[in-house]
Amino acid sequence: ETGVTQSPTHLIKTRGQQVTLRCSSQSGHNTVSWYQQALGQGPQFIFQYYREEENGRGNFPPRFSGLQFPNYSSELNVNALELDDSALYLCASSAGQKNTEAFFGQGTRLTVV
Amino acid sequence: QKEVEQDPGPLSVPEGAIVSLNCTYSNSAFQYFMWYRQYSRKGPELLMYTYSSGNKEDGRFTAQVDKSSKYISLFIRDSQPSDSATYLCATHYGQNFVFGPGTRLSVLP
Repeated sequence: ETGVTQSPTHLIKTRGQQVTLRCSSQSGHNTVSWYQQALGQGPQFIFQYYREEENGRGNFPPRFSGLQFPNYSSELNVNALELDDSALYLCASSAGQKNTEAFFGQGTRLTVV
Repeated sequence: QKEVEQDPGPLSVPEGAIVSLNCTYSNSAFQYFMWYRQYSRKGPELLMYTYSSGNKEDGRFTAQVDKSSKYISLFIRDSQPSDSATYLCATHYGQNFVFGPGTRLSVLP
């Protein structure tokens, strides 16, 4: 098991609501990346945080936002939820921006109804 | 054209078989290549990563990269039922990983 933990593990929200997902990175890791994985698909990069700053962003709208805290834990916030936001949200931590060895948490399964 | 392509399977093999999983990629700027294993309803688990062309072996797993043809492979020897999972190839570019869609593997006892 990796040292990356995510909470909650499952979540059901209604369309239009807002959600916050949390991630604690592995000890010694200062970089956190978030991914969205739809059923039957590979993970899609949302954004990365390095030392509390957003350090890269994928093709996701601004209603997907995040934070990284001084202890390098991170939050993913999604506003105005849509049905298509239903997916497994994965957090990955690594030591440094290069990300060559990133370790994933178990994910948060979000269902939007 | 997707940046990383992978046959989604499913692929079923008998226990003990040699499994070959393959991906192709489109961008010659990709330098690092990874294989992840993902069990149902779990996060991906890093199996192997490679940088250069050639083979890298770790136990029953061998990763192979051919940059000239933009082709990466994962071989599993003496496959076990516990190897049943989805296998994701990934490459690293800039700050993010680009993943293939994954190949679902079933190893039958």
